[in-house]
Amino acid sequence: KAGVTQTPRYLIKTRGQQVTLSCSPISGHRSVSWYQQTPGQGLQFLFEYFSETQRNKGNFPGRFSGRQFSNSRSEMNVSTLELGDSALYLCASSPGEGYTFGSGTRLTVV
Amino acid sequence: ILNVEQSPQSLHVQEGDSTNFTCSFPSSNFYALHWYRWETAKSPEALFVMTLNGDEKKKGRISATLNTKEGYSYLYIKGSQPEDSATYLCARLRDGNEKLTFGTGTRLTIIP
Repeated sequence: KAGVTQTPRYLIKTRGQQVTLSCSPISGHRSVSWYQQTPGQGLQFLFEYFSETQRNKGNFPGRFSGRQFSNSRSEMNVSTLELGDSALYLCASSPGEGYTFGSGTRLTVV
Repeated sequence: ILNVEQSPQSLHVQEGDSTNFTCSFPSSNFYALHWYRWETAKSPEALFVMTLNGDEKKKGRISATLNTKEGYSYLYIKGSQPEDSATYLCARLRDGNEKLTFGTGTRLTIIP
């Protein structure tokens, strides 16, 4: 069965721009979570969506937002990009217990 | 303990040797403890989900134990192989909250 698909794999953006990342969960998984990893930091929780509703949110500024569609696909948006937003962004889907991660989108802000 | 902590940060082990590392976490409002293996350029792979105090799980040469009262879990690898080289992450799930709090990982390198 298909795994969690994240697109694009790599992205280079300029400071001040905005970016949208996409995550397609495993079929039947209704929960999608997003995580950020920067050098030297563990995976930091961004937010979690379930059935198109944001259930949990991490400690990130309002420039980070997300949404989930009726087919459970999720998008994450970062506006007014800063150099510090350069990171690997992972999404994970879950059927209710246990998480399966995608391969991530590596975002570089220059 | 306030956060999820893993030790050691990195480890070099001779092929064939056994090894173990630690995950410490806040014991209050505990729901589950997850272990993942993360190889470079791949996605984190789930190893174990542990919920009960005293739980012991095994998958091939890898096993894990859980102590929820004192807030720690051990991961053991028996007879290390080069393919075991990876970063091992633990993550805690709080009761009623679908948010994994990760440690910074133990980077394991197996020396052939």
